[in-house]
Amino acid sequence: VVMTQSPLSLPVTLGQPASISCTSSQNLVYSDGKIYLNWFLQRPGQSPRRLIYKVSNRDPGVPDRFTGSGSGTTFTLKISRVEAEDVGVYYCMQGTDWPRTFGQGTRLE
Amino acid sequence: QVQLVQSGGEVKKPGASVKVSCKASGYTFINYGLSWIRQAPGGRLEWMGWISAFNGNTDYAQNLRGRVTMTTDKSTTSGYMELRSLRSDDTAVYYCARDTPFYTGVPLLDVWGQGTVVSVS
Repeated sequence: VVMTQSPLSLPVTLGQPASISCTSSQNLVYSDGKIYLNWFLQRPGQSPRRLIYKVSNRDPGVPDRFTGSGSGTTFTLKISRVEAEDVGVYYCMQGTDWPRTFGQGTRLE
Repeated sequence: QVQLVQSGGEVKKPGASVKVSCKASGYTFINYGLSWIRQAPGGRLEWMGWISAFNGNTDYAQNLRGRVTMTTDKSTTSGYMELRSLRSDDTAVYYCARDTPFYTGVPLLDVWGQGTVVSVS
């Protein structure tokens, strides 16, 4: 499954919203009816950190300004008001099919 | 707390092998698996493979089959990734991440190690 993100670079102003798109080459609905689409943030010099799992579920400690949505093959991560700590590279990843595959990454700056 | 601590950086010559370790703590090791992911300089994340700490089942990325072996040691709650016949394009940061214990289970990648730099030159 090929994951494609856009844009690849996203300049933003602090306090303004941001949106990242992720599309998959196949429908990501698994046989159990769930969609295994995760979002990760990799801050400069750090390991990736999972933010969102199964399209729209925030991990513990993730601020509610982060919202994941989507279905089928099209998914979106939205940040309602960008803060300085949000800077880094965002990746989508599908876990519906093997092998797990990541998008190219979107650099938020 | 739940964490994965990886071994230190390595410098290898082309054709050599490297073995990276990933020590798990703060959770029941055999109730999960581990995925290994690498990131070449300036590149995207590339999933390399998965191993179940429950039953030792594995699945490897097609482009690495024959060169990679993943293992676990329940007595030390550690996972290992060995990559053989190293080439310059294997230069990357290698990460372990907690994952499902079953091939048909829910993918996780909810906890990551700090990364291990492997340089092939």
